[in-house]
This record gives sequence, C-alpha cells and structure tokens, in this order.
Amino acid sequence: DAGVIQSPRHEVTEMGQEVTLRCKPISGHNSLFWYRQTMMRGLELLIYFNNNVPIDDSGMPEDRFSAKMPNASFSTLKIQPSEPRDSAVYFCASSLGLNSYNEQFFGPGTRLTVL
Amino acid sequence: AQSVTQPDIHITVSEGASLELRCNYSYGATPYLFWYVQSPGQGLQLLLKYFSGDTLVQGIKGFEAEFKRSQSSFNLRKPSVHWSDAAEYFCAVARDFNAGGTSYGKLTFGQGTILTVHP
Repeated sequence: DAGVIQSPRHEVTEMGQEVTLRCKPISGHNSLFWYRQTMMRGLELLIYFNNNVPIDDSGMPEDRFSAKMPNASFSTLKIQPSEPRDSAVYFCASSLGLNSYNEQFFGPGTRLTVL
Repeated sequence: AQSVTQPDIHITVSEGASLELRCNYSYGATPYLFWYVQSPGQGLQLLLKYFSGDTLVQGIKGFEAEFKRSQSSFNLRKPSVHWSDAAEYFCAVARDFNAGGTSYGKLTFGQGTILTVHP
C-alpha cells in the first residue's frame, strides 16, 4: 500500500489566493483527519470525517477554511482567501475505525507558505 | 480536558548513548498512549502504543516505553541511539470524544521533543 498520499507537497501562494490541499487515504480506511502543525500551536486537529461525513469540525479555525470528502478515496482542505498566518504544515491521516485504539496513519504533509 | 506535556523541547545525545524522552499526560480515565516520530520533511510514524496490560511496551526501531500510572508518565527509551534516530518525537494521548452523536478517538499531541545525535 502506498500509504496516505497528499498533494502538493509544497505550496507557495500570495495572500488572498485560494489554496486547495488534497488527500488520498489508505484504501479501506473509513476515518480521515486533517491536522495543522505550527511552531506556536503544535499539531492541531482541524476536522474529522467518518465514512465521508464530517463528524467534528470544531478545530477549523474560521470560515475561510472548508473541507470536503466526496468519496472514500479523496478529501480536500480549502482555504479561501488565504492569509500569512495560515502558513503551516497540513497533515492528512487515516485510520480503520473510530476508536481510540485505531492507529492513525499520517501522510507526508503539505507545507503551505502564504506570502 | 486531556493534555500532554513533553518537558524537553530539545535533547542532544551522542551516538551509542542511552536515551529517555519524557512524557506526562493529564487524563482522568485509563489513557491510550502513543509515541510518534517525525523525520525532517516526513509525516508522523507510529513507534509504539499502550492500551492496557504490560506497562512496558516494545516498539519499532528498538524503542520501548513504560506506562507509570502513579506518575502519569509514558517515557520513551532506547538503550543505544543511532544517528538515524535524529528526528522529532511526539507523545500523544487518545480518548473517546463525542461529536454530533458519534463517538470517536481523538488524539492530543504533546509539543514534541527534537532529538539531535552527535557522532
């Protein structure tokens, strides 16, 4: 298995532009998580999907952020409009189930820089 | 609310030396505990996990961790560090969290410990 796939690996954009990050979870996994990693705040959970349905989006910072999972093999995280404070590494992770003991498998991340 | 504290931001050891990375957690019930490693430019990889049973757990790459309930700790150890172990290490605790009527396991991560290995 190729693991969790994220694209692009690096994204540099200007303030005000729309940014779309993409994730392909491990085949057969029914849970998908988006995280953001910054020096100041560490790793934060942004949103969690189970069976393609958003379950918990309480970590999404504001309305500029949105996430979708149109099918079991694809998810997007969109920032519109982007701001310099959105610069971070964004990770996608997937797992086999809902429970605390289900291991989350992480993708390599997308490093976003907003100028 | 659950929380995880990794007191050491940065640790430097010599290759071949022993290593211990500290992790303290705050959680009322029996926690599910994890250690992840993140190499530069990479995602997080699970080293080991504790759910119940034997309090000394073995992981990949020669790492082990010991759960001590009395100290609310889950320290990571390795008897002899290799240069390839240089990375950032994250301790995490998971608990079941209810959102919208669905219960799911939510991970809370510590701030991480950066390990530098000197030759």
